[in-house]
Amino acid sequence: EPEVTQTPSHQVTQMGQEVILRCVPISNHLYFYWYRQILGQKVEFLVSFYNNEISEKSEIFDDQFSVERPDGSNFTLKIRSTKLEDSAMYFCASSTTPDRLSSYEQYFGPGTRLTVT
Amino acid sequence: AQKVTQAQTEISVVEKEDVTLDCVYETRDTTYYLFWYKQPPSGELVFLIRRNSFDEQNEISGRYSWNFQKSTSSFNFTITASQVVDSAVYFCALSEEGDDKIIFGKGTRLHILP
Repeated sequence: EPEVTQTPSHQVTQMGQEVILRCVPISNHLYFYWYRQILGQKVEFLVSFYNNEISEKSEIFDDQFSVERPDGSNFTLKIRSTKLEDSAMYFCASSTTPDRLSSYEQYFGPGTRLTVT
Repeated sequence: AQKVTQAQTEISVVEKEDVTLDCVYETRDTTYYLFWYKQPPSGELVFLIRRNSFDEQNEISGRYSWNFQKSTSSFNFTITASQVVDSAVYFCALSEEGDDKIIFGKGTRLHILP
């Protein structure tokens, strides 16, 4: 069964450093998402991406964050200058088409645990 | 505004007992989707079910069942004859028509004791 993959599974970085989290969505999916989960808290939406541009973003997704689909398979989340509060699990997800007339499913990857020290 | 409330922060039951996880949602849309996800200790999010707002039929899948009631804006999840492997955090979630994002509740941590 096809699945979303994410690398690395755990990333440790120092405050102020740039970090890139990588995701490979399911191959025929068109919509891509990033969510984050601070330890012990709920999962929060960051951004959605379609047709090579951001379609929606949350208040959390400020100028320090950016997303990119550099080639036909990868989808990346970059944090320019990490802060301690960026420590969280970051989930990538993908879906076929959020057809407004029918339900759809976002398939989540296993997550990347980011630790900022 | 959309919101998902899972009032039960943590539940412990003894193996083989039945347990119900509550979920109450708020939305102004008439078309929306409700989800349940399981997050085991390993951390990944496991999709369990999606229900759209036009389908109020209850669903059963093995030991899992879901009770969707629009009149009370609830989408409760019952595990019958619980097992230790059911121990996890369970998230209820909502997505509105025309919206890309899924809004998650705070989750209920379920402990199944042997």
